[in-house]
Amino acid sequence: RKEVEQDPGPFNVPEGATVAFNCTYSNSASQSFFWYRQDCRKEPKLLMSVYSSGNEDGRFTAQLNRASQYISLLIRDSKLSDSATYLCVVNMVGDNAGNMLTFGGGTRLMVKP
Amino acid sequence: ETGVTQSPTHLIKTRGQQVTLRCSSQSGHNTVSWYQQALGQGPQFIFQYYREEENGRGNFPPRFSGLQFPNYSSELNVNALELDDSALYLCASRKEGTQYFGPGTRLTVL
Repeated sequence: RKEVEQDPGPFNVPEGATVAFNCTYSNSASQSFFWYRQDCRKEPKLLMSVYSSGNEDGRFTAQLNRASQYISLLIRDSKLSDSATYLCVVNMVGDNAGNMLTFGGGTRLMVKP
Repeated sequence: ETGVTQSPTHLIKTRGQQVTLRCSSQSGHNTVSWYQQALGQGPQFIFQYYREEENGRGNFPPRFSGLQFPNYSSELNVNALELDDSALYLCASRKEGTQYFGPGTRLTVL
């Protein structure tokens, strides 16, 4: 079983739609959580951190459920420029792990006109 | 934008060869991590260096090794290249809890 699991998609949605991505993680000792965005053949870029209380940044809302080990990302009013791969990321901290980020396989989003 | 640069951008090697990839980050970025991203997958953690010492390692064999230098640059060395080593190699430096990724080096092993 992968440590961070995501539906690979692709999610094909029209402009203006609302789309939600989900992610589960296996290590209950995980300490911090993020969504990264990766455009084709580019490096991942931090989209937002995810907090237990839930947090919002413009059209983007992230939720964390520690009991279920579940993370979500909601994108409202999708734009063409939102087309990318969204990576669910968990930060493990441990004696041997340093401060490693564990990435899911990514969910591909394609927003169509 | 991130202040993290990597070289070269692309590289082609043959099986059995050795390769050195380089990363440079900004002053104050004391921690550098390396990740391998195979096509269609998420990045996988290789190892991390803090103040020139390795302080974390993922599930990669010893033929993957690294160095970090006082000038905030670092290297990833891979010996005895295998076909499966073909991937995008990402360097990330950390400052104040946020990891900033470089643009990556795309390695192709033939």
